Amino acid sequence: DAGITQSPRYKITETGRQVTLMCHQTWSHSYMFWYRQDLGHGLRLIYYSAAADITDKGEVPDGYVVSRSKTENFPLTLESATRSQTSVYFCASSTDKKNIQYFGAGTRLSVL
Amino acid sequence: KNQVEQSPQSLIILEGKNCTLQCNYTVSPFSNLRWYKQDTGRGPVSLTIMTFSENTKSNGRYTATLDADTKQSSLHITASQLSDSASYICVVSDHDKIIFGKGTRLHILP
Repeated sequence: DAGITQSPRYKITETGRQVTLMCHQTWSHSYMFWYRQDLGHGLRLIYYSAAADITDKGEVPDGYVVSRSKTENFPLTLESATRSQTSVYFCASSTDKKNIQYFGAGTRLSVL
Repeated sequence: KNQVEQSPQSLIILEGKNCTLQCNYTVSPFSNLRWYKQDTGRGPVSLTIMTFSENTKSNGRYTATLDADTKQSSLHITASQLSDSASYICVVSDHDKIIFGKGTRLHILP
């Protein structure tokens, strides 16, 4: 399917486990982003990438790792999940950092 | 500190009525301002994007205005429909960062 897809849609894990959230886009957009959305905070940028092999920290990067070996994929890894990382995670892509972003449907992550 | 403030936090109106959502920002230098609609359980979808020189931009029943002098934007929804029930997020970019507002939650009652 064309567009931007996230997987899984829902994930439950335990404290201390490693979790990887996947994001795939078919537009060949240069930029990709990871956000988390929590009540009272709105969307907060975790990491973004300007191109393959180029990543940069956002507002709340601690506890997260990203990679971008291919333009179309931008996985987000929680190396040792904590309860504070329970959230809804959105991936987005765009042609430029300041242009319209196209969001995936989100991954709802619960860390028990 | 660059900030984007939206008001009201939530709003309830009857189907068919008009409403206006507000966005005030302190972002400088200004690059552009975007409005997104986010349905429950989904990702945000872009409604409009406005640059410094644009005062008004429409997308169907949605009309966004921008006053770059007072650093205010509004999103006007005409003849609301049940499908307009959603969160509306204002996003402002400076030369480097993207700053998200916390959104206005709109409920349309039949």
